[in-house]
Amino acid sequence: AQTVTQSQPEMSVQEAETVTLSCTYDTSESDYYLFWYKQPPSRQMILVIRQEAYKQQNATENRFSVNFQKAAKSFSLKISDSQLGDAAMYFCAYGTNTGNQFYFGTGTSLTVIP
Amino acid sequence: KAGVTQTPRYLIKTRGQQVTLSCSPISGHRSVSWYQQTPGQGLQFLFEYFSETQRNKGNFPGRFSGRQFSNSRSEMNVSTLELGDSALYLCASSQGTVGEKLFFGSGTQLSVL
Repeated sequence: AQTVTQSQPEMSVQEAETVTLSCTYDTSESDYYLFWYKQPPSRQMILVIRQEAYKQQNATENRFSVNFQKAAKSFSLKISDSQLGDAAMYFCAYGTNTGNQFYFGTGTSLTVIP
Repeated sequence: KAGVTQTPRYLIKTRGQQVTLSCSPISGHRSVSWYQQTPGQGLQFLFEYFSETQRNKGNFPGRFSGRQFSNSRSEMNVSTLELGDSALYLCASSQGTVGEKLFFGSGTQLSVL
């Protein structure tokens, strides 16, 4: 079964600085999808970024970018120019190529310090 | 376009009771997935429905069941509630294409006393 590991339960960053959240996963598949979701106190999960495993180019979305290392099964999220609104729980997720069954990590709680 | 709507937001039940949670997906979405979120465990996949058929199922006991109606709305039922069923239950919808992003609702917080 696929597993997703987030080894940093909590992280903090100064406003306007850069922070990197780590994620590793285990799979025997070659085709899959990776995601970072953000969950603010409102509880609603919001997609931050999506990566297709067959694409070597790292995905970027404005201040958010990933470092996808397929061989190492690593998928880290970099947040540049951190803002107070970035404070939330961040979840890394793995999506299979056989349906919409996602495997989530246990999350990293990000605090942004003014 | 309205987002994913889950009702109720909060629910308190006692052990042994049963509960039904409801999820209305985004208009046009045919896939609805359910997840259980508990502190320390993250999100655990329960099941996915696509066009009224269960397409995927996670490793939960048979007390957890679901269904999807012709208008894509979905319900999740938990019978014979246990204390360990206390959790945030999240519903997510999508058009159903593999690997596409999921749109989540705000969840139903279930407390079992």
